[in-house]
Amino acid sequence: KQEVTQIPAALSVPEGENLVLNCSFTDSAIYNLQWFRQDPGKGLTSLLLIQSSQREQTSGRLNASLDKSSGRSTLYIAASQPGDSATYLCAAPFTGGGNKLTFGTGTQLKVEL
Amino acid sequence: AAGVIQSPRHLIKEKRETATLKCYPIPRHDTVYWYQQGPGQDPQFLISFYEKMQSDKGSIPDRFSAQQFSDYHSELNMSSLELGDSALYFCASSLGTARGTQYFGPGTRLLVL
Repeated sequence: KQEVTQIPAALSVPEGENLVLNCSFTDSAIYNLQWFRQDPGKGLTSLLLIQSSQREQTSGRLNASLDKSSGRSTLYIAASQPGDSATYLCAAPFTGGGNKLTFGTGTQLKVEL
Repeated sequence: AAGVIQSPRHLIKEKRETATLKCYPIPRHDTVYWYQQGPGQDPQFLISFYEKMQSDKGSIPDRFSAQQFSDYHSELNMSSLELGDSALYFCASSLGTARGTQYFGPGTRLLVL
């Protein structure tokens, strides 16, 4: 069974800090990896998708990297703002799993004023 | 831009009742996925459809069934509801099954009493 782990489970930082969220997966034969944001009780907003052939994707203050060989992806958030407070989830479709996503355990981020 | 639409947004049912959740994918998207997210848990894949045919199946109980219609909308039918079925149910859509970005709807929150 594929497992996706995210560390830390929760993170509290002051506004303006740069931060890194980590995602580890056991099956390195992934096709892509997607990062999502989820506000409490709300839906999932897709932030970035990195194809297996890519190493990085950037969108505004967000940068995601993918290292298949080590089974890791990181989401870098620059100059964090209180509006970034949410749960961040990584997810990937794994070999033999069609296109269904296996989600990580999530990192709950709080950015304080 | 049009997003994935789910209805209803909230649903309250009694045990042993039946519920039907609807999902309208992004225009031109031909693939629909259903996920279940229990309280404090990450989303779990239930079932997916491509071009009106079931394309993959996950941990979907036998009490649940789903289908995709000619206009690509999908319905998840849940019978003999149990307390443990209380969860957020997400629908996602994508264009094809080439493992592209999955776009998620806002979810239907089901509460079984």
